[in-house]
Amino acid sequence: KAGVTQTPRYLIKTRGQQVTLSCSPISGHRSVSWYQQTPGQGLQFLFEYFSETQRNKGNFPGRFSGRQFSNSRSEMNVSTLELGDSALYLCASSPTGPNQPQHFGDGTRLSIL
Amino acid sequence: GENVEQHPSTLSVQEGDSAVIKCTYSDSASNYFPWYKQELGKRPQLIIDIRSNVGEKKDQRIAVTLNKTAKHFSLHITETQPEDSAVYFCAASIPGTASKLTFGTGTRLQVTL
Repeated sequence: KAGVTQTPRYLIKTRGQQVTLSCSPISGHRSVSWYQQTPGQGLQFLFEYFSETQRNKGNFPGRFSGRQFSNSRSEMNVSTLELGDSALYLCASSPTGPNQPQHFGDGTRLSIL
Repeated sequence: GENVEQHPSTLSVQEGDSAVIKCTYSDSASNYFPWYKQELGKRPQLIIDIRSNVGEKKDQRIAVTLNKTAKHFSLHITETQPEDSAVYFCAASIPGTASKLTFGTGTRLQVTL
C-alpha cells in the first residue's frame, strides 16, 4: 500500500499570502489529521477530518482551515501568513474505529519570508 | 485539555545498553498511547502503541509500560543500536478523539559506539 502522500514538499511564501497544502491518505483510511511541527512548540494538533466533516479541532486561529473530499483526500489552507507560521506541516491518516494508529506523511516544509 | 510531559529531553547511551523514556499525562480519561520515532528530516514513524486496558506491550527490543494510577507510561529499548538514534515522541489521546494526539516534547536519543 502506498503511504500518506503530501504535496508540495517545500513552499516559500511571504507574509500576508495564503497557502494550500494537500494530503492523500493511505487507501481505505477515512480519517485525516493535520499537525504543525516547530522546534519551539513541538507537534501540535490542528484538526481532523472524517467523512468530509471536521471532527476535532486544535487551538489554532481561524486563519487555519481545512477540508476533506469524498475520496478522503484533504487540503489545509492558511490565510494571511505570518512569520510564525513557518513550520513542518504533517498529515496523518488512520483507519475507521477507536484508537486506530495514525500514519504520517513526509510533511510540507513551509517557510515564510 | 490533555497535557503530556516527556523526560529526558536528551539521552545518550552506549551501543548495547538500554534506554528508557518516560511520559506523564494529565487527563485520566486518556486511553491510547502511541510512541513515534522521527529521524532527522523524516516523518514520525509509529513504533509501538498501548491501550489503557493493557499494562505492558513488547515488540522485539521495544516495550512500553503503562501505569494508569500514576498516569505514567514509558518506552524501553533494549540492546540499543546506532540506528536507534532519533527523536522519540510519546503521545496520548482521550476517548472519542483518537485522532487528536497530544504529543510530548520529544527525547533525542543518541546511541554511541
